[in-house]
Amino acid sequence: NAGVMQNPRHLVRRRGQEARLRCSPMKGHSHVYWYRQLPEEGLKFMVYLQKENIIDESGMPKERFSAEFPKEGPSILRIQQVVRGDSAAYFCASARGTGETQYFGPGTRLLVL
Amino acid sequence: DQQVKQNSPSLSVQEGRISILNCDYTNSMFDYFLWYKKYPAEGPTFLISISSIKDKNEDGRFTVFLNKSAKHLSLHIVPSQPGDSAVYFCAASPYNNNDMRFGAGTRLTVKP
Repeated sequence: NAGVMQNPRHLVRRRGQEARLRCSPMKGHSHVYWYRQLPEEGLKFMVYLQKENIIDESGMPKERFSAEFPKEGPSILRIQQVVRGDSAAYFCASARGTGETQYFGPGTRLLVL
Repeated sequence: DQQVKQNSPSLSVQEGRISILNCDYTNSMFDYFLWYKKYPAEGPTFLISISSIKDKNEDGRFTVFLNKSAKHLSLHIVPSQPGDSAVYFCAASPYNNNDMRFGAGTRLTVKP
């Protein structure tokens, strides 16, 4: 009964590179959420996806950030041309349906040098 | 805009005593409230929730109280145990809307 899986757990990138973060939801969950936690802050909602659809991306920065949840495979959060301010912990959560409890993965800690 | 606030960044309690963690919110559309616990280097773990039709929900040592008129909720842990030492996040959302907002967290330390 695997929980939400995220990889990599740690990712180091230089400024200007791309970062790809992966999230596999719990079995039976078709709703995926991405959150970002900056140092000493709470989690901030970024985007909510269902299979092949972005439902709410109101928390996503307008540029350089994108997310997808294809029919097959994990959800991907992609950050292009990373900057130092992108350094944070990125958490993915999944839920069985709308309004259901969200269960979190262990997070990916991104460090931009 | 900080719609969910946890004003105490840290709390220290003696083992066996009660821990009370507080949370305030500003959005009257919030209908569903949750508490998550987070250990270092791990993701948040769901602890307990309450919907706005209730004012109390209890699960073992954990009880959440909701005061809708004051827009305030609290998490009570009794008796506190050293393993409860973690960061606790309060979260809120309009029911059936997945836009969940988190507080900044309170770091609880339970001393043996």
